[in-house]
Amino acid sequence: GQNIDQPTEMTATEGAIVQINCTYQTSGFNGLFWYQQHAGEAPTFLSYNVLDGLEEKGRFSSFLSRSKGYSYLLLKELQMKDSASYLCAVRNAGNMLTFGGGTRLMVKP
Amino acid sequence: DGGITQSPKYLFRKEGQNVTLSCEQNLNHDAMYWYRQDPGQGLRLIYYSQIVNDFQKGDIAEGYSVSREKKESFPLTVTSAQKNPTAFYLCASSIGPISNYGYTFGSGTRLTVV
Repeated sequence: GQNIDQPTEMTATEGAIVQINCTYQTSGFNGLFWYQQHAGEAPTFLSYNVLDGLEEKGRFSSFLSRSKGYSYLLLKELQMKDSASYLCAVRNAGNMLTFGGGTRLMVKP
Repeated sequence: DGGITQSPKYLFRKEGQNVTLSCEQNLNHDAMYWYRQDPGQGLRLIYYSQIVNDFQKGDIAEGYSVSREKKESFPLTVTSAQKNPTAFYLCASSIGPISNYGYTFGSGTRLTVV
């Protein structure tokens, strides 16, 4: 079976740093994706990790530990426009993506 | 501009009616997918197709049907057998099963039963 867990909601302050965690158990592993989704809109690609370590892309970074089945998305210098849902998705041995329930992030002034 | 287009953006269905959601892509992607998203929940896979004239059931296929007669198009029909169809429906495509960008999503169709 497959199981992907993320916190349901998080709140942070503008200008701060927030870390969104994702733990997973899947049948095989071929990479982990993070997507951003604003309410009522399409998810958009943020990052991809297939090897252990940190991938940095501007204000956003994503970390993966395959041995622990764990990833996090780090958002720095938070802006109000970062208020959105963040979806963790794992590609399994069959190359299909399974999505977590998403974390709704609220950024407050 | 290449992309994936879903229509309509909002759709209302009466009890017992079948409705079809459109999904078209001009990205030359081989694989296409339909997901359902309920409020505050993640995406659940309904159907997927990795090649023209072939498609597979996902986790929640009951009450839905699809066709893949053209590479560009992957319409989803929500039948009267789907007892709780009110949801946000997302279509996605990918160049193939192995892509470092995962899926490209359409902007979604919000279906409401009236």
